[in-house]
Amino acid sequence: DIQMTQSPSSLSASVGDRVTITCRASQSISSYLNWYQQKPGKAPNLLIYAASSLQSGVPSRFSGSGSGTDFTLTISSLQPEDFATYYCQQSYNTPQTFGQGTKVEIK
Amino acid sequence: QVQLQESGPGLVKPSETLSLTCTVSGGSMSSYYWSWIRQPAGKGLEWIGRIYTSGSTNYNPSLKSRVTMSVDTSQNQFSLNLNSVTAADTAVYYCARDPGSSGWYYFDYWGQGTLFTVSS
Repeated sequence: DIQMTQSPSSLSASVGDRVTITCRASQSISSYLNWYQQKPGKAPNLLIYAASSLQSGVPSRFSGSGSGTDFTLTISSLQPEDFATYYCQQSYNTPQTFGQGTKVEIK
Repeated sequence: QVQLQESGPGLVKPSETLSLTCTVSGGSMSSYYWSWIRQPAGKGLEWIGRIYTSGSTNYNPSLKSRVTMSVDTSQNQFSLNLNSVTAADTAVYYCARDPGSSGWYYFDYWGQGTLFTVSS
């Protein structure tokens, strides 16, 4: 299985901050990397697919980059509704695997 | 708007079989992959497996010996059976759609999730 490692596991930030979350794959996954946001008691919501493609309806302050083994999710200006847990997921092969999550909390 | 809804018993005894169904509305099931994903309380996400509308399946090797998935496009439903359950199978179970567009795979629609508990 491909292991996905996110860092940090949690972070504290203020509204308006630029936030960066990284995800590293245990082997090259080309651009088969997706990002999801999950709020408590809710299903995950797709933000970014294919490493850098913004899902329809997702605000443009979210962006993704990277290829191979190293990827980044950036929130350019953190908004109150962005406090949540973020997961990366590889779809290069099966079993598809997720990172352990990064919890973004209010500072 | 595509919607997915999980249904099934919320509680089963150890060694019994979990059976969940996901009903798809607002769109066709054809030419998509349909996945099951679970999340134990306070933990991360685990992909259980997927089924294509043709009936072909891929299962997580960690669960493969206990998992069966099926699809009924006439009813707009797909199902998960997980046998010989233990407390470790207690989790919120999600169904999700994967469009597999142009070779890219991701989960663009999710059900709300259903809590499944294993307890005697």
